[in-house]
Amino acid sequence: AAGVIQSPRHLIKEKRETATLKCYPISRHDTVYWYQQGPGQDPQFLISFYEKMQSDKGSIPDRFSAQQFSDYHSELNMSSLELGDSALYFCASSLGLAYSYEQYFGPGTRLTVT
Amino acid sequence: TQLLEQSPQFLSIQEGENLTVYCNSSSVFSSLQWYRQEPGEGPVLLVTVVTGGEVKKLKRLTFQFGDARKDSSLHITAAQPGDTGLYLCAGASVRDDKIIFGKGTRLHILP
Repeated sequence: AAGVIQSPRHLIKEKRETATLKCYPISRHDTVYWYQQGPGQDPQFLISFYEKMQSDKGSIPDRFSAQQFSDYHSELNMSSLELGDSALYFCASSLGLAYSYEQYFGPGTRLTVT
Repeated sequence: TQLLEQSPQFLSIQEGENLTVYCNSSSVFSSLQWYRQEPGEGPVLLVTVVTGGEVKKLKRLTFQFGDARKDSSLHITAAQPGDTGLYLCAGASVRDDKIIFGKGTRLHILP
């Protein structure tokens, strides 16, 4: 079965530009999580969606927004990009309220802000 | 604030040695996952433990969930260079169903 798909894999933007990252979860998974991981850091939880509704919010800046669409894919919109936004952005999907809470991560999008 | 504390933060050992990584919390978890992440890639799920006292083996890796479901350990026997990576534990709290991640243990196995 196909895993979580993220696009693009690499993205270079300039300061103050906007970026949109996309995530396609594993088939039948209804929950999506977004994480940001800086160099040498552990993944930091940004936001999650269950059945197209926001289910939890972490350290997501106000300049970022996200949503989950009817086909369960999700997009992370990032505006007024700053140099500090350069990081790996991971999306993970799961079967939501399944008892095990196992998350399956995508390969990530490497965002470089110059 | 619920925390999952992992120790050690960094570990560098010789190939063939054994090691144990710990994941501790004051919170009770309905389940706990262990992930391994290699540089530039997404974390990969290794195992889920659900029952207090549960032990699961994955080749040379042994995972244990504490009796009270507040802690877990990962033991690697005869470590190999391919075991190098960032090991993350994550738990779903029984209190609010939210998943929290530990800060990870960076493991480096020297050939």
